[in-house]
Amino acid sequence: GAVVSQHPSRVICKSGTSVKIECRSLDFQATTMFWYRQFPKQSLMLMATSNEGSKATYEQGVEKDKFLINHASLTLSTLTVTSAHPEDSSFYICSASAGAPADTQYFGPGTRLTVL
Amino acid sequence: AQSVTQPDIHITVSEGASLELRCNYSYGATPYLFWYVQSPGQGLQLLLKYFSGDTLVQGIKGFEAEFKRSQSSFNLRKPSVHWSDAAEYFCAVGPPGDDKIIFGKGTRLHILP
Repeated sequence: GAVVSQHPSRVICKSGTSVKIECRSLDFQATTMFWYRQFPKQSLMLMATSNEGSKATYEQGVEKDKFLINHASLTLSTLTVTSAHPEDSSFYICSASAGAPADTQYFGPGTRLTVL
Repeated sequence: AQSVTQPDIHITVSEGASLELRCNYSYGATPYLFWYVQSPGQGLQLLLKYFSGDTLVQGIKGFEAEFKRSQSSFNLRKPSVHWSDAAEYFCAVGPPGDDKIIFGKGTRLHILP
C-alpha cells in the first residue's frame, strides 16, 4: 500500500517555541492531507483538512493561528505548532489521500510532541 | 450528527480464541464504515471497509466485519486471535463521497498466552 511518513517521530520543546512537523506521501500524490490529534487513550480528532495549493480548512475549535498548516506540494504538508504550551503536548497524526472516497486515506506513524 | 461508539475500552482474550469488537454508529443514511488497527510506533492500518453491497466484509489479517443496518452496527470479528493482534482498534465512519472520517474512541485488545 501507499506509504506516508512523518518527521520527526518525537520532539521535545520549550514552552513558547514553535515546532514544525512534516508529513510526506512517499509513493503517491496526495491531493488532500489531514491532520489529527490524539490524546492518551482517546480517539483521533480531526484538526484540519488541507488541499494542495489552497488554505487549510480547520475543524471547529481548532485555532488556525496556532496550528499553521501548509500543503505546498502534492507530497508534503507541514503542521507548525506556534508558541507551544504544555497543553499542546499530544500525538499528532497525518494522513494523505489521493481523492475521495474516504477509503484512500493513508496514515503516517505519528509525532509525539512534548512541550516543557 | 455523525458519531461512533465503541462500548468496550479494553478486551482481553486468550490466544487462539475468537474475537468480536463492537461498533455502533449514528448517521442519517448508510455511511462508509471502516476498521483500523493502530500498533505502537506504527500508523493506522486499514483492516477493512464497507461501502455497499455484501454486508459481510472480509479484510486483511483474517478479520471480517458485518454491517447490520437494523442495529446500526459494524462489529469486527476474528475466529482465532494471535498474540500479534494485540493493538488498538478503531471503528470509523465517513459520509459517502466525503474524505472525512470520524473515529470511535478505540478498543484496546490484550492477548493472553
